[in-house]
Amino acid sequence: GENVEQHPSTLSVQEGDSAVIKCTYSDSASNYFPWYKQELGKRPQLIIDIRSNVGEKKDQRIAVTLNKTAKHFSLHITETQPEDSAVYFCAAINTGGFKTIFGAGTRLFVKA
Amino acid sequence: DTAVSQTPKYLVTQMGNDKSIKCEQNLGHDTMYWYKQDSKKFLKIMFSYNNKELIINETVPNRFSPKSPDKAHLNLHINSLELGDSAVYFCASSQPRGLDGYTFGSGTRLTVV
Repeated sequence: GENVEQHPSTLSVQEGDSAVIKCTYSDSASNYFPWYKQELGKRPQLIIDIRSNVGEKKDQRIAVTLNKTAKHFSLHITETQPEDSAVYFCAAINTGGFKTIFGAGTRLFVKA
Repeated sequence: DTAVSQTPKYLVTQMGNDKSIKCEQNLGHDTMYWYKQDSKKFLKIMFSYNNKELIINETVPNRFSPKSPDKAHLNLHINSLELGDSAVYFCASSQPRGLDGYTFGSGTRLTVV
């Protein structure tokens, strides 16, 4: 069945460093890839997304890259701040269907 | 103005009881979902409705029954609660097929004792 693998499960960085989270998907028909941030005790919130006709998208300190051939996509956070500490979820969706497949999440700690 | 609101926020109940969680969205979305998030934070799809019609029904015990009276509401009823049902349940809504991502509710933390 469809699967999204996400690595690492935990990531600890020093404030100001960069953080990279990687995901791999199995369904080659996937064409939309959102990323969600979930702070402790809060709801997941969409922070950035990328569609399959684009290789890279940037929004201030966050960027996503997509390699359709390898079925990889990644989240890059630059100049990390303590408020970036959260669980991040990648997801893949085949918009021909109705199901979003989530990765297992990455717990990011940014140390001040 | 909360876009996706679910109630209650916390629910503590005894094994064997029946309980309901309500969800409403005011975004005009056609599609609504229930997700279960366990203690390891994994988000598992349970159900999805598109315009009041059930379109995804994952391997969920039939003690769980969703109901969508209209496309703005998706409620979840759980019969004969078990200890393993303890989790955070998130309602979400989206444009059809999840385009432009999901908007999640604030979650309902269910604890079965």
